[in-house]
Amino acid sequence: GAGVSQSPRYKVAKRGQDVALRCDPISGHVSLFWYQQALGQGPEFLTYFQNEAQLDKSGLPSDRFFAERPEGSVSTLKIQRTQQEDSAVYLCASSQRGGDMELFFGSGTQLSVL
Amino acid sequence: GQNIDQPTEMTATEGAIVQINCTYQTSGFNGLFWYQQHAGEAPTFLSYNVLDGLEEKGRFSSFLSRSKGYSYLLLKELQMKDSASYLCAVRDSGAGSYQLTFGKGTKLSVIP
Repeated sequence: GAGVSQSPRYKVAKRGQDVALRCDPISGHVSLFWYQQALGQGPEFLTYFQNEAQLDKSGLPSDRFFAERPEGSVSTLKIQRTQQEDSAVYLCASSQRGGDMELFFGSGTQLSVL
Repeated sequence: GQNIDQPTEMTATEGAIVQINCTYQTSGFNGLFWYQQHAGEAPTFLSYNVLDGLEEKGRFSSFLSRSKGYSYLLLKELQMKDSASYLCAVRDSGAGSYQLTFGKGTKLSVIP
């Protein structure tokens, strides 16, 4: 595709529900990142993939957060037993290589946990 | 760890010049980035500095001083469409660590 695509654009979940957020990176991009952006804040790093390998998951806030990229393209961020503090915009970004200057971001999934 | 500071909000007049400052304290450094983010949209890449000095790209310029832990983004000939948040971000120098640490962003309002 022309850019990074994320779905759904908006997600409302009841506290305790599981959610799955999808990211379609730019075709051929090796590196994929997930970031969490709270209202009025900058994005915070969650996890990084190089192809299908998850090389850094140091930013995942708890073991309720899980990310995968099984075939090295599409990635899914799963949040189990959602809590109100999980409400944020979840941004996905990709680049041709991890050390590239430019990250291409998707428009994000806005998650609201009630 | 990383600590990045930038002003929360700024206001400037259409046609003017504005400078957005960013200071950082990092355990490692492998580049400083500026991104623009319009409300409800994806951040988009503006500039990258890894060496000291000024990088100019059209109406936008970015400056870096590694010894001072300081950068600024300069926007010239401001247009209404430049109203957005401007995010300063630093990349760590750790091996295989390509994550960016972002500041909280500076919300710029351009007024007529």
